[in-house]
Parts: sequence; structure tokens; C-alpha cells
Amino acid sequence: DVKVTQSSRYLVKRTGEKVFLECVQDMDHENMFWYRQDPGLGLRLIYFSYDVKMKEKGDIPEGYSVSREKKERFSLILESASTNQTSMYLCASTYLRASGSSGANVLTFGAGSRLTVL
Amino acid sequence: AQSVTQLDSHVSVSEGTPVLLRCNYSSSYSPSLFWYVQHPNKGLQLLLKYTSAATLVKGINGFEAEFKKSETSFHLTKPSAHMSDAAEYFCVAPAVGTSYGKLTFGQGTILTVHP
Repeated sequence: DVKVTQSSRYLVKRTGEKVFLECVQDMDHENMFWYRQDPGLGLRLIYFSYDVKMKEKGDIPEGYSVSREKKERFSLILESASTNQTSMYLCASTYLRASGSSGANVLTFGAGSRLTVL
Repeated sequence: AQSVTQLDSHVSVSEGTPVLLRCNYSSSYSPSLFWYVQHPNKGLQLLLKYTSAATLVKGINGFEAEFKKSETSFHLTKPSAHMSDAAEYFCVAPAVGTSYGKLTFGQGTILTVHP
């Protein structure tokens, strides 16, 4: 019954390494999101994508990039990992396309990828 | 832009006692609001959502929330806590002024349930 799958639950990387976090959804959703979750800060949006090859920056895009070559897959890339990117990363998707206002979007989340950068 | 504030970072209750998790929102008009729950080592799951159809919203696992416009609040309650309710809870609102389903998350409230 898994609908949003994140390929890695736990990763340990070294400073400067390039890191790929993969997310796949099987619900044919147009919109996909990457959040990072840190204690006391809730979830903060890194990037989102509303269509294949389309992306927009979220609230904290610095140090990250994304790729969406296929509708079902949304990848988060850390070009050169740093210790301050140690965090839990959550992928999510939703069916709603551009609403223009306060659309009541329900996100489906993956289980998360806990990244530690040493 | 709309924002949400969760007033307690931690709440501790005994099993069988009521649960109250507080959330205030800021907005110039009636919003959509959600509560999500995250159990340890799991992704977030929708608990309930408010979309202006009714001010009292019932969710899963016996939780409910009441939208109070006069108080700009959307507190989450449950009459009797169960050990399985121990989790982190997030109050969430759409990021008004943007599109594509962007959401604003509160800081989260960790609920601990004691036997």
C-alpha cells in the first residue's frame, strides 16, 4: 500500500560529497515536494515541482537542486554536502494543480530519509 | 501570507485523560487548515482537515479540531489519550498567495502519553 517511496531511509555521507535522494510516487500526482525536518522548526520547503521538468524554489533552496525527468520521480541533489545539511528529508506529492488561492491540498508523504553528513 | 503557530512544543498526558494541542493561525480570511501526525520513524499522515464546510472537524483515531475564527485557533483535541497517540503533531495551512499546493507547517508538538 506504499504510495510515496523514498529510496534510502538512512544515509551517512562525508562533507563535500554529492548526495542524491530519490522519491517515487505511484498516484499520478502532478505536484511533488521536498521538505527538510529539524527539531523545533517543523517542516521547511526546499523545492517543489508541478510538472515534469518544472521546478520552483521553496523557502530554503540554498545548497540544493532537484530533478524531475519523469512524472513519478523527484530527486533532491546536494551538490556538495555540508554538516548543516544533516537532517530528515521528506518527500511528498499531491494531485492538485495550480489553484491560485487556498486550495485544500492533502499531501501524501514518504517515510523520510535521515541524512547525516560527517 | 498565512502562518501557523503551535503554542506548545511538548505536551505530556496520562493514558485515558484528555488531549489538547493548540494551534493559532494568522490570515486575513478563512483558511484551509490541517493537522498531520508523525509517528516515530514514519512519514506524516493526515489526521483531519478543515475546509470551511463545518467548524468542528472529526478526524481519524478519535481526534477532532474546532475552527474558531474569533480566536484564530484550530486546536486539536481527543477525549481520552491512548498510548498509540504518542507522536509529533503538526498544524498546517496552505501558503496563501502561492499555488501548486504549497503548505506552511507549524513547529510541531510532541505528545507523550504516560501509562
